[in-house]
Amino acid sequence: AQSVTQPDIHITVSEGASLELRCNYSYGATPYLFWYVQSPGQGLQLLLKYFSGDTLVQGIKGFEAEFKRSQSSFNLRKPSVHWSDAAEYFCAVGARAAGNKLTFGGGTRVLVKP
Amino acid sequence: DAGVIQSPRHEVTEMGQEVTLRCKPISGHDYLFWYRQTMMRGLELLIYFNNNVPIDDSGMPEDRFSAKMPNASFSTLKIQPSEPRDSAVYFCASSRQGAVNTEAFFGQGTRLTVV
Repeated sequence: AQSVTQPDIHITVSEGASLELRCNYSYGATPYLFWYVQSPGQGLQLLLKYFSGDTLVQGIKGFEAEFKRSQSSFNLRKPSVHWSDAAEYFCAVGARAAGNKLTFGGGTRVLVKP
Repeated sequence: DAGVIQSPRHEVTEMGQEVTLRCKPISGHDYLFWYRQTMMRGLELLIYFNNNVPIDDSGMPEDRFSAKMPNASFSTLKIQPSEPRDSAVYFCASSRQGAVNTEAFFGQGTRLTVV
């Protein structure tokens, strides 16, 4: 079965500082990996996804993520955060062999200090 | 397109009552997913449909929960009878293909409180 772990429940970062959110997955084959963001009171919005090819993927809002097979990781990064980046971030894994559905991690809540 | 539309946005009900949550997916999307979000368990997939047919309902917690998709533009999630532990935010999402092939678009959710 596929699973996702996000080790950090909360992260506080200063505006303008860099941000890195950790994600580790468990799946026997090559997974499909996603990062979604949830703003307060809203649904989830896709930031970026990795299916194959270049292991560094670019997403919306200046985010990027790097797939590292050897570490079973798919960490999300942003060089300089803005106050509007305060939200909850979810890593997800999917696989066609596991049905066309996503398994989400527990989420990381990001707080941005002025 | 207006996106995935869920109603109501908030629902407060008494234990034992029937609750029906509604979802209108994005037109042209073949897949529809129902998720539940709680502090304790995070985001859980309850059930998903492909072309109005339920494909995987292994996440439905128990027989009190049921979901239907009578046509391509409407789905319901029903809880009967409701219990306080059902309090959560319920999300509906839709995608053009399976969620692993393309982006899943989420509604704003229904916050259910059972007292």
